[in-house]
Amino acid sequence: EAGVAQSPRYKIIEKRQSVAFWCNPISGHATLYWYQQILGQGPKLLIQFQNNGVVDDSQLPKDRFSAERLKGVDSTLKIQPAKLEDSAVYLCASSLGRNGYTFGSGTRLTVV
Amino acid sequence: QKEVEQNSGPLSVPEGAIASLNCTYSDRGSQSFFWYRQYSGKSPELIMSIYSNGDKEDGRFTAQLNKASQYVSLLIRDSQPSDSATYLCAVYSSASKIIFGSGTRLSIRP
Repeated sequence: EAGVAQSPRYKIIEKRQSVAFWCNPISGHATLYWYQQILGQGPKLLIQFQNNGVVDDSQLPKDRFSAERLKGVDSTLKIQPAKLEDSAVYLCASSLGRNGYTFGSGTRLTVV
Repeated sequence: QKEVEQNSGPLSVPEGAIASLNCTYSDRGSQSFFWYRQYSGKSPELIMSIYSNGDKEDGRFTAQLNKASQYVSLLIRDSQPSDSATYLCAVYSSASKIIFGSGTRLSIRP
């Protein structure tokens, strides 16, 4: 079974620039999540999709972050404009239900 | 009060000893409980899940759940240097999402 694919692995941008991350979940996993993990902290949920519908985006800073999951498969997360405090690892995960997630390898974003 | 609380550590344990990691959660309606291991620079990896009160054993790992006390723990027997990592407690809440604790850093000293 192929895992959760994410790209790019690393990204360095200047503040106020925009950036996009891509995620392809495990085949058949209806639920997809984007997490932000700041160094030394646990992952924080940004947005949860069920198929192509948003289930929870209560912690997504909607003035600068957006996410979509077209056709209920892969997903993109965008930040525009980026701030210094957005420096973090962005993790994508997928699941079949409540039995735990499988995470992708993450995208490490550095905003300078 | 944080939804999922863990001691940040570091917890230092000699090789071959038992490492004990603890976690408390606030949502009484939580249904499923997980332990993830995260090596530095890597993404979290699911190592244990537990759904009912009591103990669940898998190799050197034992997860313990006490819903009345809202307490989850992970025991690692015969600790190895390769067990040195951050251990994240995660809870599937009544809001149908998984909430993570901030993690406990475990260091196994030879």
